[in-house]
Amino acid sequence: DVKVTQSSRYLVKRTGEKVFLECVQDMDHENMFWYRQDPGLGLRLIYFSYDVKMKEKGDIPEGYSVSREKKERFSLILESASTNQTSMYLCASGGTSPETQYFGPGTRLLVL
Amino acid sequence: EDQVTQSPEALRLQEGESSSLNCSYTVSGLRGLFWYRQDPGKGPEFLFTLYSAGEEKEKERLKATLTKKESFLHITAPKPEDSATYLCAAVAGGTSYGKLTFGQGTILTVHP
Repeated sequence: DVKVTQSSRYLVKRTGEKVFLECVQDMDHENMFWYRQDPGLGLRLIYFSYDVKMKEKGDIPEGYSVSREKKERFSLILESASTNQTSMYLCASGGTSPETQYFGPGTRLLVL
Repeated sequence: EDQVTQSPEALRLQEGESSSLNCSYTVSGLRGLFWYRQDPGKGPEFLFTLYSAGEEKEKERLKATLTKKESFLHITAPKPEDSATYLCAAVAGGTSYGKLTFGQGTILTVHP
């Protein structure tokens, strides 16, 4: 079974803090993705990576950055957290058919 | 702009009462249509991929179908454990690296 794990299920941070969300997959997938999910807006793609050290912006990259130093690990960074970044963050990975994505359990982030 | 619209937003069924969920899409040269199931507090779980009009896929009580403009997820004799949010997503032709456009989802509740 594909397993995608995320470092935290719940996080509470203060405005202005730097926040790291980590994602690890165990299926040797080339492609990894970060989404946020908000009520009424659905899942929106923040960033994705198709190889180590490679990244591309998704639909809503503003305020976020990513890092992929190893194939199995993809990190999402909020440089200076703001209240409008309160959301559920979902990581996914995909292999040779990258559209078939396997999701982690999500991190619910609250920024106060 | 690629768009995916799901209806209804919410659906309540009695156990055993069959019904269908709708996913309408407007994408340039559809490359694939995906269905996911999401349980509360969890990440989406992959169900089906459909690639061409007329294609059908089945899994237990679920059957997904695809036309040139929409996809249906038919649920036959549902059980309470089928209660979840069902997400539809599309990939446009020429899209890089598995970029999915998600619909808002349909929240399905099956009462015993």
